[in-house]
Amino acid sequence: QSALTQPASVSGSPGQSITISCTGTSSDVGVYNYVSWYQQHPGKAPKLMIYDVSNRPSGVSNRFSGSKSGNTASLTISGLQAEDEAEYYCISYTNSNSYVFGTGTKVSVL
Amino acid sequence: QVQLQESGPGLVEPSETLSLTCAVSGGSISSDNWWNWFRQPPGKGLEWIGEIHHGGTTHYTPSLKGRVTISVDMSQNQFSLRLTSITAADTAVYYCARNALRGYYADYWGQGTLVTVSS
Repeated sequence: QSALTQPASVSGSPGQSITISCTGTSSDVGVYNYVSWYQQHPGKAPKLMIYDVSNRPSGVSNRFSGSKSGNTASLTISGLQAEDEAEYYCISYTNSNSYVFGTGTKVSVL
Repeated sequence: QVQLQESGPGLVEPSETLSLTCAVSGGSISSDNWWNWFRQPPGKGLEWIGEIHHGGTTHYTPSLKGRVTISVDMSQNQFSLRLTSITAADTAVYYCARNALRGYYADYWGQGTLVTVSS
């Protein structure tokens, strides 16, 4: 069971939009709409940002959105802000009753 | 508001067994949620370890099968992680978390506890 593939880093200027990809297989991302995204600041527990591909929990800014096409899910942050600088992880349910995380993406605000 | 709190030794010797407990407050371990363990080695990414339902059904990540056991104690409203034959590679921050009701995502997390494997 290999980790989902994410870019190691993505950066953008304040106000810009960025997109983080999360590529899996037909055993996980491609077959289930159970992809979620977490934001993690250093030394903190992960925070849920998106669940079930594109749903936002209450309290999460609508600047965060998710989508999926085939074996790749994506997280888009629009109107980038300094507070968005963090590590982001995707995670997907798999066909072996387990979960697999992405490799993580460091988002930098220039 | 559901709260989860990990507890256990911060230092464990190689080849020993790591045991952690997650105390749940503000919610019942007997609810229809699944309860998870995750971990994160220093400077590295997150890893899902496994999950348990109060009925006793468990699922584990394939890479740790055979070494990991997750159990639930409804009388104490807590669940536990046991990892045997540990090595330095098991050094990590361990998190417990609750999956949303009938959901496939963790909505409440503990703050995490660092476990270092060293003699």
